[in-house]
Amino acid sequence: NAGVTQTPKFQVLKTGQSMTLQCAQDMNHEYMSWYRQDPGMGLRLIHYSVGAGITDQGEVPNGYNVSRSTTEDFPLRLLSAAPSQTSVYFCASRQAPTGWVPHNEQFFGPGTRLTVL
Amino acid sequence: GNSVTQMEGPVTLSEEAFLTINCTYTATGYPSLFWYVQYPGEGLQLLLKATKADDKGSNKGFEATYRKETTSFHLEKGSVQVSDSAVYFCALRRPGGSQGNLIFGKGTKLSVKP
Repeated sequence: NAGVTQTPKFQVLKTGQSMTLQCAQDMNHEYMSWYRQDPGMGLRLIHYSVGAGITDQGEVPNGYNVSRSTTEDFPLRLLSAAPSQTSVYFCASRQAPTGWVPHNEQFFGPGTRLTVL
Repeated sequence: GNSVTQMEGPVTLSEEAFLTINCTYTATGYPSLFWYVQYPGEGLQLLLKATKADDKGSNKGFEATYRKETTSFHLEKGSVQVSDSAVYFCALRRPGGSQGNLIFGKGTKLSVKP
């Protein structure tokens, strides 16, 4: 298994440009999430999904869109990039909790480092 | 609200020194607690977890005990190695909150010198 993969690894954008950060997992996990990591801030949740066709906002959703058309993929879209979106972005996935295993491990991708000029 | 507070870094230790990274939390209900580690240039990996009070999580020589009375989950290791140099994140998961997504502390960078 490749686990959680993210592309690209690095990206530089100009203010106002749009782009999509790709995330895919091959573990058949229902739950997927996007976090951003900023110095001194830890990781903050942007958007998450509990299954294909279902998404919801996290702590810092403004400026980002997501969709989940398949179990495997969960792309993050920046519609009009701003310097405040310069960050490292992590995608994560895990199995849906069950009565037997309510605290499944969350697996993280290697991250995408985005710079907005 | 729910939050995690970690000791500020960076922490610099010599090889074989004792490590403690403090973590305290605020949460409603009974959260699960986690320590994640991020090695340079990589994503986060689960280091250990504890799901109820007095549970002790352990892995790779690291330990942390879920202390409900002090709302703490301090990370300890008796003898650190250079290969332990990384950023360590304490996190909680509140049952039912944001579908169980993690709430992270700000991270503590550990550097171990030979």
